Amino acid sequence: AQTVTQSQPEMSVQEAETVTLSCTYDTSENNYYLFWYKQPPSRQMILVIRQEAYKQQNATENRFSVNFQKAAKSFSLKISDSQLGDTAMYFCALAGGTSYGKLTFGQGTILTVHP
Amino acid sequence: NAGVMQNPRHLVRRRGQEARLRCSPMKGHSHVYWYRQLPEEGLKFMVYLQKENIIDESGMPKERFSAEFPKEGPSILRIQQVVRGDSAAYFCASSLRANTEAFFGQGTRLTVV
Repeated sequence: AQTVTQSQPEMSVQEAETVTLSCTYDTSENNYYLFWYKQPPSRQMILVIRQEAYKQQNATENRFSVNFQKAAKSFSLKISDSQLGDTAMYFCALAGGTSYGKLTFGQGTILTVHP
Repeated sequence: NAGVMQNPRHLVRRRGQEARLRCSPMKGHSHVYWYRQLPEEGLKFMVYLQKENIIDESGMPKERFSAEFPKEGPSILRIQQVVRGDSAAYFCASSLRANTEAFFGQGTRLTVV
């Protein structure tokens, strides 16, 4: 069985500052993928960033980057230069095996960016 | 290229009625996934379908829930004899292939009264 744990129910950050959201996971798969999704009040699930487990290099997408620690089974998301539009629920998710679409989600972290 | 379309966006059903949720995948996508999100929780996988086939239904409740993805038309998630505990947001996602990114629809919020 796969599990994903987000231990921070809520986080807040000032606009333009940096914030890190934590995620740990467990899986018996050798090949797997990790994702961070953003869910704003509109409820739309938006893919923020993804990481293939076989890649050692941490993924980056503009202001978003991850710290992937495979041995520790940790996958944190760093948001730099936070913007008001980053306010949302953030979910860490894991896909094991060959299917990107069968995801195990964490409980989510509500991020609030203050002006 | 339209995204994943789910309808209705909101659905209200009385206890004991049937709920039908529809999902039209992105053009060219033949893999569909259904998820349920209870209030204040993350999404939980329910079922994975590929045209006319159920690939993985390990997350589907054993009774009252069924899903299909016919050769023509949208994927349907059907909930028979709804109960209050079925109230949730139901999301559909689609992908081009099994090992490509899944795109999510905006969800259907089901309220059982």
